[in-house]
Amino acid sequence: EPEVTQTPSHQVTQMGQEVILRCVPISNHLYFYWYRQILGQKVEFLVSFYNNEISEKSEIFDDQFSVERPDGSNFTLKIRSTKLEDSAMYFCASSGYSTAQETQYFGPGTRLLVL
Amino acid sequence: GQQLNQSPQSMFIQEGEDVSMNCTSSSIFNTWLWYKQDPGEGPVLLIALYKAGELTSNGRLTAQFGITRKDSFLNISASIPSDVGIYFCAGPKNTGNQFYFGTGTSLTVIP
Repeated sequence: EPEVTQTPSHQVTQMGQEVILRCVPISNHLYFYWYRQILGQKVEFLVSFYNNEISEKSEIFDDQFSVERPDGSNFTLKIRSTKLEDSAMYFCASSGYSTAQETQYFGPGTRLLVL
Repeated sequence: GQQLNQSPQSMFIQEGEDVSMNCTSSSIFNTWLWYKQDPGEGPVLLIALYKAGELTSNGRLTAQFGITRKDSFLNISASIPSDVGIYFCAGPKNTGNQFYFGTGTSLTVIP
């Protein structure tokens, strides 16, 4: 069964460093998403991406975040200058069709720890 | 943003017991989804509901989309140890692609 994959599974970085989290969405999906989950808390929406541009973003997704689809298969989240509070699980998701009414499938996540 | 409140926050039950949890919102949703998250992993979709009043089953799981469109229920029958995890309800904004997740119900099944 097709699945969303994410790399790395774990990332440790120093505060102020840039990190890039990578995702390979399900191959025929058109919509891509990033979410984060701070330890012990609920999953929070960051951004959605369609047709090579951001379609929606939350207030969490500030100027230090950016997303990119550098080729036909990868979808990346870049955090420019990491802060301690960026430590969280980051989940990529994808869905097939037009709106959020379409079920989103989640990857296994990248656990980011900022020291 | 939207707040989806789930209750109970946590449950400890004996293997074989039935489980019931719910999710409520102050706003109307047109879709309700139930996800399960195992420790250190991403949410996995269990059941999707698209119509008010809809009752849908997936094996031992049954979920209902409330008539008011402001709530949903998930029931698990004859629980087994692998049911352990955190269960999240989720729903999309009426417009756009943003999903809101509930506060989660943590389930522990005691063998």
